[in-house]
Amino acid sequence: DAMVIQNPRYQVTQFGKPVTLSCSQTLNHNVMYWYQQKSSQAPKLLFHYYDKDFNNEADTPDNFQSRRPNTSFCFLDIRSPGLGDAAMYLCATSSGQAGANVLTFGAGSRLTVL
Amino acid sequence: GQNIDQPTEMTATEGAIVQINCTYQTSGFNGLFWYQQHAGEAPTFLSYNVLDGLEEKGRFSSFLSRSKGYSYLLLKELQMKDSASYLCAVLDSNYQLIWGAGTKLIIKP
Repeated sequence: DAMVIQNPRYQVTQFGKPVTLSCSQTLNHNVMYWYQQKSSQAPKLLFHYYDKDFNNEADTPDNFQSRRPNTSFCFLDIRSPGLGDAAMYLCATSSGQAGANVLTFGAGSRLTVL
Repeated sequence: GQNIDQPTEMTATEGAIVQINCTYQTSGFNGLFWYQQHAGEAPTFLSYNVLDGLEEKGRFSSFLSRSKGYSYLLLKELQMKDSASYLCAVLDSNYQLIWGAGTKLIIKP
């Protein structure tokens, strides 16, 4: 089945220790997104790629970086995680075509910062 | 600013009907989505409305009134598995998705 896969599902790190979260997709979608979601809050868009074009949201901290080496893969790097970065990180994809641009989400990576 | 408002939490009884409202103020409008999110899981797509009116899909229906900046999600014949958060999201004039914080729906037997 075509899908969006995130790894790891659960990540525990220490304060300041870098973390990389990965996302892969078999949908051949042009657009990939990284969202941060804290408990009972709306998902917050960190970045998105339209093909190789990188789009950084204005309020995304510099501590967060992203890479998309090819169509299928996207990475989220958190250079120096703080306690406030503990959250669920959601990867999503979409076709990027006009109209109902439905997002398909991965299962998420839950980050705990000790 | 852009804003999506939904009730924080609702409670309903198994077998009953519940309506979850969403009001929005956004810069432009290119459609409204409803997503379901079970605790600790990713959101899954439920419905998309871009024209006024009611879209029915099995036990779930979604309504839109663009002039009022209002939508609702109607869930019929509630089942315990419908316990989840329901997220309303609007596609603005720049095709950016503006998300609500979600409505946590609790189903009681």
